[in-house]
Amino acid sequence: NAGVTQTPKFQVLKTGQSMTLQCAQDMNHEYMSWYRQDPGMGLRLIHYSVGAGITDQGEVPNGYNVSRSTTEDFPLRLLSAAPSQTSVYFCASSYRGNNSPLHFGNGTRLTVT
Amino acid sequence: DQQVKQNSPSLSVQEGRISILNCDYTNSMFDYFLWYKKYPAEGPTFLISISSIKDKNEDGRFTVFLNKSAKHLSLHIVPSQPGDSAVYFCAASAVSTNAGKSTFGDGTTLTVKP
Repeated sequence: NAGVTQTPKFQVLKTGQSMTLQCAQDMNHEYMSWYRQDPGMGLRLIHYSVGAGITDQGEVPNGYNVSRSTTEDFPLRLLSAAPSQTSVYFCASSYRGNNSPLHFGNGTRLTVT
Repeated sequence: DQQVKQNSPSLSVQEGRISILNCDYTNSMFDYFLWYKKYPAEGPTFLISISSIKDKNEDGRFTVFLNKSAKHLSLHIVPSQPGDSAVYFCAASAVSTNAGKSTFGDGTTLTVKP
């Protein structure tokens, strides 16, 4: 059982480049989300989805796009990378409901130069 | 304004002793609280949770206490083990949202010395 799989593990981009961070889960979870973690800080919600075809913005959505065409996949697109987007990105999934904890992937470490 | 605060960035305890990690929140709509544990180069993993209808939840060596009037919760680890050394995140959510939409604190790095 793979759980939540994120690719790539590491990525270096130049300012202005675009890229897609991949996330897939095999637990049939309805809810998926993207967080970023900056040094010394907690996790901040970027975008989330409560099911295929439904997405919404989190706390820090600017500069990112998402789509959810299947239950399993939830890619995060950086439209035009900026140094402020240097961070570790975590994808997570859970069943719907207030008492369903998140299952996280192992993260993608992104550096924008 | 940070709605979930972990005021101690780090904590060091001796193996076998109790570790107490604290968390404060400001949003009175929060009614479900979770603790996650994170090792370096890994994603956070769920540790224990508590609903606002309870004031204590226990799972083995881990106990979470909730004081709603003070908007404060704490995680107790007894006895602490070197393998418990990790970053611990407190998270909170409201019944109107999903626990996956939790608001996280900045984390406390726990070091358990042998």
